[in-house]
Formats: sequence, C-alpha cells, structure tokens
Amino acid sequence: DAGVIQSPRHEVTEMGQEVTLRCKPISGHDYLFWYRQTMMRGLELLIYFNNNVPIDDSGMPEDRFSAKMPNASFSTLKIQPSEPRDSAVYFCASSPREGWDTDTQYFGPGTRLTVL
Amino acid sequence: TQLLEQSPQFLSIQEGENLTVYCNSSSVFSSLQWYRQEPGEGPVLLVTVVTGGEVKKLKRLTFQFGDARKDSSLHITAAQPGDTGLYLCAGKNAGNNRKLIWGLGTSLAVNP
Repeated sequence: DAGVIQSPRHEVTEMGQEVTLRCKPISGHDYLFWYRQTMMRGLELLIYFNNNVPIDDSGMPEDRFSAKMPNASFSTLKIQPSEPRDSAVYFCASSPREGWDTDTQYFGPGTRLTVL
Repeated sequence: TQLLEQSPQFLSIQEGENLTVYCNSSSVFSSLQWYRQEPGEGPVLLVTVVTGGEVKKLKRLTFQFGDARKDSSLHITAAQPGDTGLYLCAGKNAGNNRKLIWGLGTSLAVNP
C-alpha cells in the first residue's frame, strides 16, 4: 500500500514568492496533519483536519500560512509571501479514524523548503 | 503549556554498547509514543505505552512508561549501526483530541 505522498521533495524559492506544498494521505485515513521541523524548535504541529475540516489551526504561524483540504485525498499548505525564516522541513501525516492504530501518525517523506 | 524534555540531546556510541534515553514531563499523559526518524524521512512509530509502569520490548529495544505517566525511557541493548537516527517521544492527552505533544528528540549515532 502507498504511504503518505508529499510533493515536491525539495523546494528552493526566493523571499516573497508563493510556495505550495502538497500531500496525499493514506487512503481511508480521516485525519491529516501538517508539521514543520527545524533543529531549534523540533516538530511543530501547524494544523490538523478531520474529514476535510480544520480542527486545530493554533499552530499556524501567521496569516502568511494557509492550508486547505478540498477532498479526502488531497491537502495543500501555502505560504504567501515566503520568508527566509520559513525554511524548514514540512511533513504531512495521516491517521485512521478507527482501528488498533488510531493514535498512530503515518508520516510522509517531507518537503525540504529553502527560502533565499 | 505542556512540554516533553528529552535527554540527552545527542549521543554517539560504539556498536555493541548499551544506552538509555529519557523523555520527561511535568504533565500526565494518557499515552506516550516513541518514533524513530532516519535522515531524509518522516518519523516512524516504534511503540505506544498506555499504562503507568508498563514495559514493552521490541527486539533489543525496551520501553518503559513511568508509574505516574509523566515520563518514559528507551533502553537499547547492544546497539547496532542500524539503530542510528533521531528518537522522538510524543505524548497524547485523554479524549478525542488527536494532537500530540512532541519532544525535541535524541539524535543517536552508532559507530561500527
């Protein structure tokens, strides 16, 4: 079975540009999480969705960040305008609603974002 | 604000040595998870501990949840180069909230 898919794997952009990160969760998983990872701050939860509805966006840094989940198989995280301090690895993860592993978060390979 | 503190932050050992890493908090969690993350990849779940005092073993890895459910430890026996990676602990509160509280991790290097 395919795991969580993220694209692109690497993104280099210039300050002020719009960046869109994409995620396809594991089929059948109802929960989707967006994280940012840096050496200094570790893994930070940005936002999570349940059945395509945002449940907790308290971790979204500021209005420059937005996330959408138009359907059960696709989510985007957009940064506009991007700034150098946004440079990090961004992870998407998903979890099932039912079953023995409801608390397990299955992570994608991440997108390494560099803003120059 | 709930925090999980992991120690040590970095650890470099020789193949065959034993080691223990710690995850501590002042808060009580309903469960605690350990993940391992290899370079260029996302974290992968190793184990979930739920009951205070619980001990779980995964081959050479032994996980323990503190009696008060505020802390946990991971012990690796006879470490191998394949154990190299970032070990992250994550705590979950009771209820339907799926949010995890993450530690900063212990970066382990096992040298051949």
